[in-house]
Amino acid sequence: EAGVAQSPRYKIIEKRQSVAFWCNPISGHATLYWYQQILGQGPKLLIQFQNNGVVDDSQLPKDRFSAERLKGVDSTLKIQPAKLEDSAVYLCASSLDSSANEQFFGPGTRLTVL
Amino acid sequence: GENVEQHPSTLSVQEGDSAVIKCTYSDSASNYFPWYKQELGKRPQLIIDIRSNVGEKKDQRIAVTLNKTAKHFSLHITETQPEDSAVYFCAAWGGGADGLTFGKGTHLIIQP
Repeated sequence: EAGVAQSPRYKIIEKRQSVAFWCNPISGHATLYWYQQILGQGPKLLIQFQNNGVVDDSQLPKDRFSAERLKGVDSTLKIQPAKLEDSAVYLCASSLDSSANEQFFGPGTRLTVL
Repeated sequence: GENVEQHPSTLSVQEGDSAVIKCTYSDSASNYFPWYKQELGKRPQLIIDIRSNVGEKKDQRIAVTLNKTAKHFSLHITETQPEDSAVYFCAAWGGGADGLTFGKGTHLIIQP
């Protein structure tokens, strides 16, 4: 079974620029999560999708971050404009559904904002 | 919302000894507690999990215990090996839209 795919793996941008990350979850997984992991900390949930609907985006800085999962499969996370403090690894994870099940993580995208 | 505290932040043990990492959570409604291992530059991977209707679970050298009354759970690794060196994260799942709340991680160092 293929795992969660993410691209790009690395991205370096200057502050105030825009950036987008892509995630392809495990086939058949209805729930998709985006996490932000700042160096030395645990992952922090940004947004959770159930199929193509948002379940929770309470920790997403909506003035600059946006995410979509239009067809209920792939998802994109966008930051516009980026700030220095957005430097982090952005992890995508998926699970069968939104109940208490194992979440499978992708390799992450390491973002550096200069 | 849920708050998860994890201790210690760094743990160094001799190869072959045991390691224990402890976490506390705040939301008594949380009912699923996974532990993830993250090697440097790699993705977090689930190593063991426990649900609130169970007090202890074991998988070879790894065990997890849960005390619902005290709202704390612990990871136990016995006969540690060099490949156990990594950062370990505990997490608590409060249900539905709350998702997983992670602790800040424990850097486990196995000394040869």
